[in-house]
Amino acid sequence: KAGVTQTPRYLIKTRGQQVTLSCSPISGHRSVSWYQQTPGQGLQFLFEYFSETQRNKGNFPGRFSGRQFSNSRSEMNVSTLELGDSALYLCASSPAQGGMETQYFGPGTRLLVL
Amino acid sequence: SQQGEEDPQALSIQEGENATMNCSYKTSINNLQWYRQNSGRGLVHLILIRSNEREKHSGRLRVTLDTSKKSSSLLITASRAADTASYFCATDARTGGGADGLTFGKGTHLIIQP
Repeated sequence: KAGVTQTPRYLIKTRGQQVTLSCSPISGHRSVSWYQQTPGQGLQFLFEYFSETQRNKGNFPGRFSGRQFSNSRSEMNVSTLELGDSALYLCASSPAQGGMETQYFGPGTRLLVL
Repeated sequence: SQQGEEDPQALSIQEGENATMNCSYKTSINNLQWYRQNSGRGLVHLILIRSNEREKHSGRLRVTLDTSKKSSSLLITASRAADTASYFCATDARTGGGADGLTFGKGTHLIIQP
């Protein structure tokens, strides 16, 4: 099976802009989670989607949003970008229907906000 | 917030030696997982140990879990240069049912000297 794919891999934006990141999970996986990784804060959970519904949400401002489509592909959007949003954004998929079982991560999208 | 704390933050050993890294966490958990990350890329799942398990093996990896001390250790035996990476522990908190996603520690950076 193909692994988790994320597009784009690299992105440069300026403050105030918005950005949309895409994630295609492993075929058959219905759970998709998003994480932000920064040198200062480490890996932090953004949200999880399962069967097109946001099931869980981390402690991030409302500028961070996401959605999941019927084919389980997911997108996350960050509006009004701030310098601190520069990070590696990781998507992970899982076949599990409950809880946090083994996560299969994509290569990430590296976002730089100038 | 960080649930897990890895120790040491960095570890440098000679190829062929064993590497041990530790993880401590704060709340009751459903499971604890270890992941590896190479140079800011995606995370690779290594092993999952459930709260009712005490030890688990996978190839050259051995993981222990002590729920009374809220700690876990990862042992990599007969290390290889390819094991050079950052290693993270991640917990699925019992009270959340996944509501907090996986909570990651800050990681141990392992360097294997040839």
